Amino acid sequence: KAGVTQTPRYLIKTRGQQVTLSCSPISGHRSVSWYQQTPGQGLQFLFEYFSETQRNKGNFPGRFSGRQFSNSRSEMNVSTLELGDSALYLCASSEGTGPTGELFFGEGSRLTVL
Amino acid sequence: DAKTTQPPSMDCAEGRAANLPCNHSTISGNEYVYWYRQIHSQGPQYIIHGLKNNETNEMASLIITEDRKSSTLILPHATLRDTAVYYCIVRVASNAGNMLTFGGGTRLMVKP
Repeated sequence: KAGVTQTPRYLIKTRGQQVTLSCSPISGHRSVSWYQQTPGQGLQFLFEYFSETQRNKGNFPGRFSGRQFSNSRSEMNVSTLELGDSALYLCASSEGTGPTGELFFGEGSRLTVL
Repeated sequence: DAKTTQPPSMDCAEGRAANLPCNHSTISGNEYVYWYRQIHSQGPQYIIHGLKNNETNEMASLIITEDRKSSTLILPHATLRDTAVYYCIVRVASNAGNMLTFGGGTRLMVKP
């Protein structure tokens, strides 16, 4: 079974631009969640989608948004990029809503904002 | 979700057991203890989880104290590839979703 796939793996943007990151979950997984990892703040939850609906949202500004498609693939978008948005963005998938299900993480998309 | 406290770093000799402690003194009765690890530049990897009984799988053992206020992750025979940041997380047992609150973790260095 293929793991969680995130694209692109690396990208460089400039301030004010926008970026879209993609995540393909493990086949059969319906829950996709996104995390931001920075040296200063560590791993922080962004949002989670289940069956195309946003189920939870972390404490991030409205510039951060996401969506999930009917095939469970997810995208997240960051508009009006700031230097502080430079981070590793991680996507994780799980089978469903069960509280004991483990999350499977992708390798991440490393965003650098200049 | 309850907050966890872990030592920032630990060393372990290769081949010896690595015992990683975690304090979660405010844990609620319906919260599970999860452990993940993150090897440099990779996504976090699930290790093990438990509610109140001790658990063991092919990777590690999880010992939870009777009052559930702390736990210990045990890697029985640490190898150099176990060098990573280990995160202890408590998570509500509900269908509210998969939001994990990561703390600072413990950076485990396994030395030859």
